[in-house]
Amino acid sequence: DVKVTQSSRYLVKRTGEKVFLECVQDMDHENMFWYRQDPGLGLRLIYFSYDVKMKEKGDIPEGYSVSREKKERFSLILESASTNQTSMYLCASSSTSLYGGVSYEQYFGPGTRLTVT
Amino acid sequence: AQSVTQPDIHITVSEGASLELRCNYSYGATPYLFWYVQSPGQGLQLLLKYFSGDTLVQGIKGFEAEFKRSQSSFNLRKPSVHWSDAAEYFCAVGGGADGLTFGKGTHLIIQP
Repeated sequence: DVKVTQSSRYLVKRTGEKVFLECVQDMDHENMFWYRQDPGLGLRLIYFSYDVKMKEKGDIPEGYSVSREKKERFSLILESASTNQTSMYLCASSSTSLYGGVSYEQYFGPGTRLTVT
Repeated sequence: AQSVTQPDIHITVSEGASLELRCNYSYGATPYLFWYVQSPGQGLQLLLKYFSGDTLVQGIKGFEAEFKRSQSSFNLRKPSVHWSDAAEYFCAVGGGADGLTFGKGTHLIIQP
């Protein structure tokens, strides 16, 4: 089974702190994703990565950056945390579909609930 | 741009009754379609997927979904729900280079 793990289930940080959320997958997937989930808004894509050292902006990249130095690890960075970044953060991974693109089924981690005070 | 609409924010069903969750999508080509389930405090688990072929797909936990191209729909069904089915359900669409687009979810409540 695919396993996607996230470094913390719950995290509490102060405004202005630099925050790192780590995600690791064990299935040699090429693609990795970071989403945030908020009530009534569903999942919104922050950033994704097709390959090591590659990154693409999703729908809401502002205030975030990412790092992918190794294939299995994808980090989300909040350079200066703000209260409006309090949310559930979900990491996912997928393999590349037969026809290219990044739309094969995604496997999700358990999520990190981040509270910024 | 691709989009997904789940018209029902909340649905309440009695235990043992049948269930249908609606999903409409907008996509320019043949889509990949997915249903995910999220239990409280957990990540998303894939229930089923449609890529091509038979338009009625079977998934885990007794769920099925039917792809109807003419209606741009991919509704999720279960003949008899159990209390453990109470969760948030997400429909998603993809097929291009931009990854998956998720609906906003339907919260399923099971009445005893």
